[in-house]
Amino acid sequence: KNQVEQSPQSLIILEGKNCTLQCNYTVSPFSNLRWYKQDTGRGPVSLTIMTFSENTKSNGRYTATLDADTKQSSLHITASQLSDSASYICVVTRGGGSQGNLIFGKGTKLSVKP
Amino acid sequence: GAGVSQSPSNKVTEKGKDVELRCDPISGHTALYWYRQSLGQGLEFLIYFQGNSAPDKSGLPSDRFSAERTGGSVSTLTIQRTQQEDSAVYLCASGEWPEAFFGQGTRLTVV
Repeated sequence: KNQVEQSPQSLIILEGKNCTLQCNYTVSPFSNLRWYKQDTGRGPVSLTIMTFSENTKSNGRYTATLDADTKQSSLHITASQLSDSASYICVVTRGGGSQGNLIFGKGTKLSVKP
Repeated sequence: GAGVSQSPSNKVTEKGKDVELRCDPISGHTALYWYRQSLGQGLEFLIYFQGNSAPDKSGLPSDRFSAERTGGSVSTLTIQRTQQEDSAVYLCASGEWPEAFFGQGTRLTVV
């Protein structure tokens, strides 16, 4: 069954601290993996996209890793800011060479407190 | 436009009425998706259009839901005889490999 599991479900951290969000998937065939940030009441916004051959990609204070062998990905947020409070969604695209089917995780809700 | 545009942004309707939700994708994008997100839940896939191919309708929850995409551009999601459990945010995304950009969604409330 094609699934994307994220952990933790929710997380509270203090401003300035680092955190790591996890994503495990069983999607096959694998095409790419994306992390999205979704602010409350807004549509998801893409942070990173990684294909099979990429194992790390950074976007500012966000660094995503991908281990295609273990089918795991992580999103590391450095020096968190209040504006990082949002849901972070891991999305795996199934199928090769096209948009195919996007399989969504349920997200991790991050709250950054002052 | 610069991004995916959805309208209306909010819709309140009475149970049993039909509603139409509109999505204007980014110009030139061949792929278009509809999702819905219930309060506190993850995104639920509804339907996927890719170019001129037959759409993937496998996520539509019942035959009250339908969607079309005219001229490979604008898409309309129609919900007939709305029920209270249809209340959710309906999100549209468009893309070209490997990107997918989301609109801001339509918040549907069935009362």
